[in-house]
Amino acid sequence: EDKVVQSPLSLVVHEGDTVTLNCSYEVTNFRSLLWYKQEKKAPTFLFMLTSSGIEKKSGRLSSILDKKELFSILNITATQTGDSAIYLCAVEATGNQFYFGTGTSLTVIP
Amino acid sequence: DSGVTQTPKHLITATGQRVTLRCSPRSGDLSVYWYQQSLDQGLQFLIQYYNGEERAKGNILERFSAQQFPDLHSELNLSSLELGDSALYFCASSDTGLLGGNTIYFGEGSWLTVV
Repeated sequence: EDKVVQSPLSLVVHEGDTVTLNCSYEVTNFRSLLWYKQEKKAPTFLFMLTSSGIEKKSGRLSSILDKKELFSILNITATQTGDSAIYLCAVEATGNQFYFGTGTSLTVIP
Repeated sequence: DSGVTQTPKHLITATGQRVTLRCSPRSGDLSVYWYQQSLDQGLQFLIQYYNGEERAKGNILERFSAQQFPDLHSELNLSSLELGDSALYFCASSDTGLLGGNTIYFGEGSWLTVV
């Protein structure tokens, strides 16, 4: 059965801390892995990764994919209260099918 | 703004009733997805359509049905509603790029409250 597992389920940190969110997957016919941020509304797209070992970066957020070990990490440096959200990992398989993890809830305390 | 439009944004209805949620995908996207998200649960995949045809089915109840029309908009019909159906229902769409991966974009969701 195809599945995506995220860890930890929740995380509370102080502003300025660095966090690492994990996503492991077992999905046949893998095409890409995506990260989303969900605040109180719709998930918004952060990154798409298709190749192993190539880091995607956007400001304080970065992500990397390991297709051999079937996982990805999302790093957030110098966290801010605005980073508080649920972070979702999804894997796309052929046929435009997407498998989502249950998410990591991040709370950043001032 | 993702380009995916959902209506209505909020809906309150009584148990036993039937509602229809509507979704317009991003221009050019052929795939439409429906997800349910309850308060303490992650995104639950319900169903996917591609260019008018059902492509994949997830944890969709028999009381629920969906369709995608020739103009690519989609409707999710929820009938014989129960209190437990109260949730945020997302529609999403994606393109069909042949190379690399596709990105799935979410609408703002329809909040359904069953009382």
